[in-house]
Amino acid sequence: DGGITQSPKYLFRKEGQNVTLSCEQNLNHDAMYWYRQDPGQGLRLIYYSQIVNDFQKGDIAEGYSVSREKKESFPLTVTSAQKNPTAFYLCASGLQGPGELFFGEGSRLTVL
Amino acid sequence: EDQVTQSPEALRLQEGESSSLNCSYTVSGLRGLFWYRQDPGKGPEFLFTLYSAGEEKEKERLKATLTKKESFLHITAPKPEDSATYLCAVQDNYGQNFVFGPGTRLSVLP
Repeated sequence: DGGITQSPKYLFRKEGQNVTLSCEQNLNHDAMYWYRQDPGQGLRLIYYSQIVNDFQKGDIAEGYSVSREKKESFPLTVTSAQKNPTAFYLCASGLQGPGELFFGEGSRLTVL
Repeated sequence: EDQVTQSPEALRLQEGESSSLNCSYTVSGLRGLFWYRQDPGKGPEFLFTLYSAGEEKEKERLKATLTKKESFLHITAPKPEDSATYLCAVQDNYGQNFVFGPGTRLSVLP
């Protein structure tokens, strides 16, 4: 079945550690996105990529990094520079141009 | 700057009690407006896309409508399984970005 797979679903991290969240899609979508969701707030864009080897910062990119070496994959690294990393992270993909996004099931990161 | 607001923040309905959720938006040029359903701890599930004022889409008990400034999600005779957070988002003509509203948390009581 086509879809978006995020892993891990739950992740615990000690302060000062970098962690990488995985996002893989088999929908043949060009565009991929990372959003952060905090309680009572809308989704906020971290990074997005429209083609392989190219990506753009979103509204809250500080403390995060991404790569897009393959069309199917868009991993997100939460670095130790991110001041408040505890959140629910959502990966999405879509076609270029007008049209909806499709989301993965999310990864919940907790910093201890 | 594109903005999306949703009201009410939370809504509690009795089973069978119809109501509407509101999504108000400001965007430089609307490429599309999207409705999603999100269950706790899960990713948003796509419901509808609306592209132009006057357009309507229906799916089971849900109906989405669009004007030049807002969209409504009408829920007819809701059931407890319709309980979820409903998110609205817009995409503008100038980029690949999407702007999401904070959502409406719907509870349908049996």
